[in-house]
Amino acid sequence: GAGVSQTPSNKVTEKGKYVELRCDPISGHTALYWYRQSLGQGPEFLIYFQGTGAADDSGLPNDRFFAVRPEGSVSTLKIQRTERGDSAVYLCASSLGPYNSPLHFGNGTRLTVT
Amino acid sequence: GENVEQHPSTLSVQEGDSAVIKCTYSDSASNYFPWYKQELGKRPQLIIDIRSNVGEKKDQRIAVTLNKTAKHFSLHITETQPEDSAVYFCAAASGGGADGLTFGKGTHLIIQP
Repeated sequence: GAGVSQTPSNKVTEKGKYVELRCDPISGHTALYWYRQSLGQGPEFLIYFQGTGAADDSGLPNDRFFAVRPEGSVSTLKIQRTERGDSAVYLCASSLGPYNSPLHFGNGTRLTVT
Repeated sequence: GENVEQHPSTLSVQEGDSAVIKCTYSDSASNYFPWYKQELGKRPQLIIDIRSNVGEKKDQRIAVTLNKTAKHFSLHITETQPEDSAVYFCAAASGGGADGLTFGKGTHLIIQP
């Protein structure tokens, strides 16, 4: 039924705080991706899950960023000690599998760090 | 890693004319090339994709061409309509699928009435 769902849609936080962004993928999609999109830029790859495991986390900018997908469905992107430069739209996408499957994006979470 | 360049950054065409957006990529191992359309404030949506075993794919008014030797691919939109106005992103991935897509910076397509 529903597409990829992301919550919250908007998040304003103060510099130094911790935030969690949630992604609920399309039911049955085993692959889940997090991207970050800054104004006027294309989405920037952060991390990819196949099932419960992070198959590729090479896009995470530093160790303040972490993501989990404990049951192979919902995923949470966690950002510690937020910085103003973390402000962006965080997009989640899912697909049926890693191969021959298009990505379906959520509407994103707009994170603003003040 | 992969690097995707996209041109032009802005493209303005008259309604009914054709629009062409071009992308180049750096990783010769890349073999999956999707195009996404993103309207203001909305999610990117896949409009067409092509894999490295074909040189061209068409879907109604939209077509994509791929030149693996030159490492470039293009999006062609014919008979443009006002609803085609949006930002278009090309992307490239290796591994046969969509893992770790690298996106271009986008082309803002403006359809002039």
